[in-house]
Amino acid sequence: GIQVEQSPPDLILQEGANSTLRCNFSDSVNNLQWFHQNPWGQLINLFYIPSGTKQNGRLSATTVATERYSLLYISSSQTTDSGVYFCAVEARGQETSGSRLTFGEGTQLTVNP
Amino acid sequence: GAGVSQSPRYKVAKRGQDVALRCDPISGHVSLFWYQQALGQGPEFLTYFQNEAQLDKSGLPSDRFFAERPEGSVSTLKIQRTQQEDSAVYLCASSRGAWGPEAFFGQGTRLTVV
Repeated sequence: GIQVEQSPPDLILQEGANSTLRCNFSDSVNNLQWFHQNPWGQLINLFYIPSGTKQNGRLSATTVATERYSLLYISSSQTTDSGVYFCAVEARGQETSGSRLTFGEGTQLTVNP
Repeated sequence: GAGVSQSPRYKVAKRGQDVALRCDPISGHVSLFWYQQALGQGPEFLTYFQNEAQLDKSGLPSDRFFAERPEGSVSTLKIQRTQQEDSAVYLCASSRGAWGPEAFFGQGTRLTVV
């Protein structure tokens, strides 16, 4: 099946710093989503971005589907940004499974005050 | 409802006990998924429903795991004769159409088997 690799696995920042999280995937995808898992375990939707670039406040994301990677940018980080960031993809050719997602292992982000 | 709702939030079960986890998807969403998340890992797919039809159960780890969605809305994941390796967070997600586009997750049920 499709492989999803996220880097870095861990990231520690000072408040106000910028960061880039990367997601590589091994095959063509129909769908790609970025999530933030907060300390209570809730997966919060950040972006639905199978291709192109989107921005939402201090966050933006870019997916280059032809090169099989996506980037999540966090600018002016805040302590509330702490948590685990997951990239998840829906592989092509698995339509019998609906929009089933395959997740990466996540990036654990810690933002210190 | 406004979002995907799961209950209970936490469940402690003695080894060998049966448990039932409930998921209330976003109203009108056709697709419903169950995922299992072990500590420190990303969620892993268990099973998929399109309305009341269970179209994919390839991720269920054993025949002790059973899921249903009889009326195409609320779903229940049942685990029989729980074992310690079943301890995990169980996440439910729903999406509007048969093929997405975007999945929305519930808060999860943290199952601990002692």
